[in-house]
Amino acid sequence: DVKVTQSSRYLVKRTGEKVFLECVQDMDHENMFWYRQDPGLGLRLIYFSYDVKMKEKGDIPEGYSVSREKKERFSLILESASTNQTSMYLCASRKQGAWTGELFFGEGSRLTVL
Amino acid sequence: AQKVTQAQTEISVVEKEDVTLDCVYETRDTTYYLFWYKQPPSGELVFLIRRNSFDEQNEISGRYSWNFQKSTSSFNFTITASQVVDSAVYFCALSEDGGYSGGSNYKLTFGKGTLLTVNP
Repeated sequence: DVKVTQSSRYLVKRTGEKVFLECVQDMDHENMFWYRQDPGLGLRLIYFSYDVKMKEKGDIPEGYSVSREKKERFSLILESASTNQTSMYLCASRKQGAWTGELFFGEGSRLTVL
Repeated sequence: AQKVTQAQTEISVVEKEDVTLDCVYETRDTTYYLFWYKQPPSGELVFLIRRNSFDEQNEISGRYSWNFQKSTSSFNFTITASQVVDSAVYFCALSEDGGYSGGSNYKLTFGKGTLLTVNP
């Protein structure tokens, strides 16, 4: 069974803390994505990576950075967490190729910044 | 830029009713892919269907059916004889053809979702 695993389902952090959200996939997928989901706004792309050590900004990258040192792992980093980053964060992966567009999602990490 | 609009924020129906979720998209590409995902209360998005821009055939899978019309840039989703287990947020999404060269065309743009509640 294909699997995208996010390290934490729920996190509570304080303003100014550095936060790491980890995502691991076991499908040998080239592409990985971080989205955030907020009520009324749907899913918005933060960053994506189309291969190891490659990354590209999505629609809302401000306040975030990412790391893709290994193919299976894609980390989202909040250098200094702020209350407006309280959200549900969803990681996804996808096989590279023009005809294979399905994204596989993790269960999400709900982050609360106090 | 690509855009997906799901005009219905919330829909509430009674079990066994048919319900259609609307999706309208915008893209300048001639090759693109459309998707529907379901997000049940557990949170994990579940893939339902993918359609490429060259295939306008409607598709039926059990109680689910999809109507793709390029002329109106719509990709609507109908659930026939709805059930309580269909209660979820449904997302329509669009991906332009990224080819093999990488870059921003790889991203999937989602609509804001439609919350479907099926009442017993």
